[in-house]
Amino acid sequence: GEDVEQSLFLSVREGDSSVINCTYTDSSSTYLYWYKQEPGAGLQLLTYIFSNMDMKQDQRLTVLLNKKDKHLSLRIADTQTGDSAIYFCAAPNDMNRDDKIIFGKGTRLHILP
Amino acid sequence: DTEVTQTPKHLVMGMTNKKSLKCEQHMGHRAMYWYKQKAKKPPELMFVYSYEKLSINESVPSRFSPECPNSSLLNLHLHALQPEDSALYLCASSQDGGGREKLFFGSGTQLSVL
Repeated sequence: GEDVEQSLFLSVREGDSSVINCTYTDSSSTYLYWYKQEPGAGLQLLTYIFSNMDMKQDQRLTVLLNKKDKHLSLRIADTQTGDSAIYFCAAPNDMNRDDKIIFGKGTRLHILP
Repeated sequence: DTEVTQTPKHLVMGMTNKKSLKCEQHMGHRAMYWYKQKAKKPPELMFVYSYEKLSINESVPSRFSPECPNSSLLNLHLHALQPEDSALYLCASSQDGGGREKLFFGSGTQLSVL
């Protein structure tokens, strides 16, 4: 089945760009997702990319997909204190066709003043 | 309305209590989910209802009992829980439950079992 890996922690200065990386194993994954979780809250769908795309941009967010390396990244431009959260990469378990989404362990983004 | 509403936000219960968590959505979604999330961990899938039928049960202990009275409502009945069941319980919904869909999450119920 699908396995999703991401680094656990990232520290970035306010105003700089943040890049959060993720790798996955199932090459048949159709959609790949980024969810954001702020303290004490549920997960919020931040953005997603379809597997036939290489890049998707949405305001300050840029998603890059390298299908050959099964690598997904989320870039946040001009990082602000409100971006401090845990970011989960997620992919459907298409190989097993069991209608599940597999989450990575989450990357905690810490903003330095 | 793009919200998934969960009540209560916080719950403290003893090991002999019976309580219920509630979840509601009015987006016309036909799939609803229960997840359990421990601190600093990703959410773990517990149950999926698709078109009001239980489609996935991730071998959850019987002290957790889900119920889907209609396509907008999802309950999780709790009985004889253990302290290790303390966690954030998240409800989510999606269009059909096809496994590739965007999930819309509620803000969760923080459960403490004493």
